[in-house]
Amino acid sequence: SQTIHQWPATLVQPVGSPLSLECTVEGTSNPNLYWYRQAAGRGLQLLFYSVGIGQISSEVPQNLSASRPQDRQFILSSKKLLLSDSGFYLCAWSGARVTGELFFGEGSRLTVL
Amino acid sequence: AQRVTQPEKLLSVFKGAPVELKCNYSYSGSPELFWYVQYSRQRLQLLLRHISRESIKGFTADLNKGETSFHLKKPFAQEEDSAMYYCALKGVNTGFQKLVFGTGTRLLVSP
Repeated sequence: SQTIHQWPATLVQPVGSPLSLECTVEGTSNPNLYWYRQAAGRGLQLLFYSVGIGQISSEVPQNLSASRPQDRQFILSSKKLLLSDSGFYLCAWSGARVTGELFFGEGSRLTVL
Repeated sequence: AQRVTQPEKLLSVFKGAPVELKCNYSYSGSPELFWYVQYSRQRLQLLLRHISRESIKGFTADLNKGETSFHLKKPFAQEEDSAMYYCALKGVNTGFQKLVFGTGTRLLVSP
């Protein structure tokens, strides 16, 4: 069966420090991968998605970047965190068929101080 | 532009009472609508999709194109229904799977 792992679960970082959140998927190949941010009162905002290795699409301009170095690995990064980067980040995957079903990770809560 | 509106941040009901979580959407084409749910300490997961016309855990949702709504309903709420519910929309002709989510409604079912 397919599983998705995301880490770290919780992260407290100072302003200006770098960020790396990692997500891996097991049990499937060539998944579509996504990074969402869940902010209070703002719902789920799609940040990045990827259809394959090295292929990244950004939905909103921001201080973050994403990379997909391997088929089932998706990384969210920042060189210098801002206070506004605080939030709950969710990684998700979906199969090649466009069904509308996303499978989410457990999330990473980032607090920038 | 695609938009999903969930007007209620919190909906509080007693066990056994009917529940209706509201969802309205804005989309110029043919939409596909979904409800996602996140129970306490669990992952966000798909609850149901309008295409399937299914009832999951007693919940149903009908797509009303005239009112551009996709409200989630259950005739008798249970305590285990307490969770965060998100309505989501995808265009039928969207070549790549991109869901637009609403801001979510927290359902609290009290004994």
